[in-house]
Amino acid sequence: AQSVTQLDSQVPVFEEAPVELRCNYSSSVSVYLFWYVQYPNQGLQLLLKYLSGSTLVKGINGFEAEFNKSQTSFHLRKPSVHISDTAEYFCAVSERGSTLGRLYFGRGTQLTVWP
Amino acid sequence: DTAVSQTPKYLVTQMGNDKSIKCEQNLGHDTMYWYKQDSKKFLKIMFSYNNKELIINETVPNRFSPKSPDKAHLNLHINSLELGDSAVYFCASSQVRATGLAGNEQFFGPGTRLTVL
Repeated sequence: AQSVTQLDSQVPVFEEAPVELRCNYSSSVSVYLFWYVQYPNQGLQLLLKYLSGSTLVKGINGFEAEFNKSQTSFHLRKPSVHISDTAEYFCAVSERGSTLGRLYFGRGTQLTVWP
Repeated sequence: DTAVSQTPKYLVTQMGNDKSIKCEQNLGHDTMYWYKQDSKKFLKIMFSYNNKELIINETVPNRFSPKSPDKAHLNLHINSLELGDSAVYFCASSQVRATGLAGNEQFFGPGTRLTVL
């Protein structure tokens, strides 16, 4: 079974500051990794994903994440945040080779950007 | 064009009633999912269908029954609604591939906010 831990439930930052949202996972098999964003009163939208290859993945809205296999982490970063980045962020994993396509989600991190 | 759509967006009802939520995807995907998101934003998978076949059935009360008339539609029917059923319900779809580099990205609908009074 897979599990995903998002280490911070809430991250408050000031506008234009850098931010890192942490995600660790546990799995006995190889995985795909995802970050989703949920803006208030909306559905989830994919920010970025790691399938294979370069461990540094760039996504939409200036976000990037780095896959670290030895530390089983997939932390999300942005060098300078905007107020519009205020949202809930979810880390998720799925098993390579699975025919179910199931995503295992972390509990989410609420990013709040203050002016 | 909306990729994954859900109706209704809001649903307010009394305890004990029966209600349905509908989901449609126009992405040509073969797999669809229902999630429940509680007040703390925790996402819990409930069901998944692949080409109209139930493939994931989590520990969910029998009052919840999914139905997939075709691979583009997945509906959720809830009998005898309880206060604890109040939540946001999300539908999602994906094209599941066991091999290759496609990953299992899921596309989510906008959600249905169910309030049971």
